[in-house]
Amino acid sequence: AQSVTQPDIHITVSEGASLELRCNYSYGATPYLFWYVQSPGQGLQLLLKYFSGDTLVQGIKGFEAEFKRSQSSFNLRKPSVHWSDAAEYFCAVAPYNNNDMRFGAGTRLTVKP
Amino acid sequence: DSGVTQTPKHLITATGQRVTLRCSPRSGDLSVYWYQQSLDQGLQFLIQYYNGEERAKGNILERFSAQQFPDLHSELNLSSLELGDSALYFCASSVGIAEVETQYFGPGTRLLVL
Repeated sequence: AQSVTQPDIHITVSEGASLELRCNYSYGATPYLFWYVQSPGQGLQLLLKYFSGDTLVQGIKGFEAEFKRSQSSFNLRKPSVHWSDAAEYFCAVAPYNNNDMRFGAGTRLTVKP
Repeated sequence: DSGVTQTPKHLITATGQRVTLRCSPRSGDLSVYWYQQSLDQGLQFLIQYYNGEERAKGNILERFSAQQFPDLHSELNLSSLELGDSALYFCASSVGIAEVETQYFGPGTRLLVL
């Protein structure tokens, strides 16, 4: 069965430091992969997505993610974190027809001044 | 602002009651998805509608039902409410179903069952 694992429940980084949030998936074929961000009291906003092609995907707000088929991973990165990046981040996978999207448990990011 | 609207923002009710959550998709989007976000279950897909027809079902309880109307807005009906139904309910929309598309999420309805 398809599943998504985000190993880190909570990560704290200093403002200006680099960030990597991990995501591993289990799926029969290469799924469609997404990263969403949820700020407190808000809905989910799409950061980036991977369907096919270049395995390094650029998203909004300076985020990027790299798809590694051999590791079944889709890690999210940002070279320099801003205080406004503090939020909850969700990795998600979806089958071809987009229904039954599965979300990871989320990683809460705290940014220290 | 994703363009997806949900009402109400907050809802407080008692066990055994029934509530209706409403969602208006982005202009032009034909697909609507409902999700439940709770502390113990995380974010779970409930159901999808496309152009008025049920398209896919996820972990939706029998006490819950949904529909999509001709004007494409959708309603999620939750009945015989239990304490465990307290959660944040999100609606999302996408253009269609031809292939995987970006889902745009609304701000959610926070339901508290007392």
